[in-house]
Amino acid sequence: QKEVEQDPGPLSVPEGAIVSLNCTYSNSAFQYFMWYRQYSRKGPELLMYTYSSGNKEDGRFTAQVDKSSKYISLFIRDSQPSDSATYLCAMVGGYQKVTFGIGTKLQVIP
Amino acid sequence: NAGVTQTPKFQVLKTGQSMTLQCAQDMNHNSMYWYRQDPGMGLRLIYYSASEGTTDKGEVPNGYNVSRLNKREFSLRLESAAPSQTSVYFCASSEAWPYEQYFGPGTRLTVT
Repeated sequence: QKEVEQDPGPLSVPEGAIVSLNCTYSNSAFQYFMWYRQYSRKGPELLMYTYSSGNKEDGRFTAQVDKSSKYISLFIRDSQPSDSATYLCAMVGGYQKVTFGIGTKLQVIP
Repeated sequence: NAGVTQTPKFQVLKTGQSMTLQCAQDMNHNSMYWYRQDPGMGLRLIYYSASEGTTDKGEVPNGYNVSRLNKREFSLRLESAAPSQTSVYFCASSEAWPYEQYFGPGTRLTVT
């Protein structure tokens, strides 16, 4: 079993929809959680990070962490075609140890 | 402020050839990393350097060597390329904990 599970998609939604992207994990040592966005043929860029259970909001993006269920989510409100990308979750569980999910490919249809 | 830069952007090698991938960052970060990204496998850590003068193996170090030349630069060397090393290679840098990493644009390597 992988430490981090993420559905690769693809996920297609109409413009304006609310998008929910999710990762589950098995390692209780993970304490810090990040979401990266990766456009096609580009490097990943950090979107959001959080280290506590609950919600963190940044504009149209909300990151949610449920440590008791070992489940994290990224919500995108009012999705735009420019949000079309692959979204990777990442988790920190120890010294210099960052574990990435395989990424979910999102397509927002105009 | 260029962030993390990588050269070359593309490379094609024949089996057995060697090459060095270059990475530089201008954010004064202490830590630097090399990853490979393959379909269905996600990002996997090859080597990292927690600080200038130190390097350590990651998840998939076999077939690679690294050099932390100074605080800015971290290179990845393939001594004898194999088709299994066909991948996209990303360099990243970060401050210390909690390791928010900033990535370069990647090098697409094909080994035939």
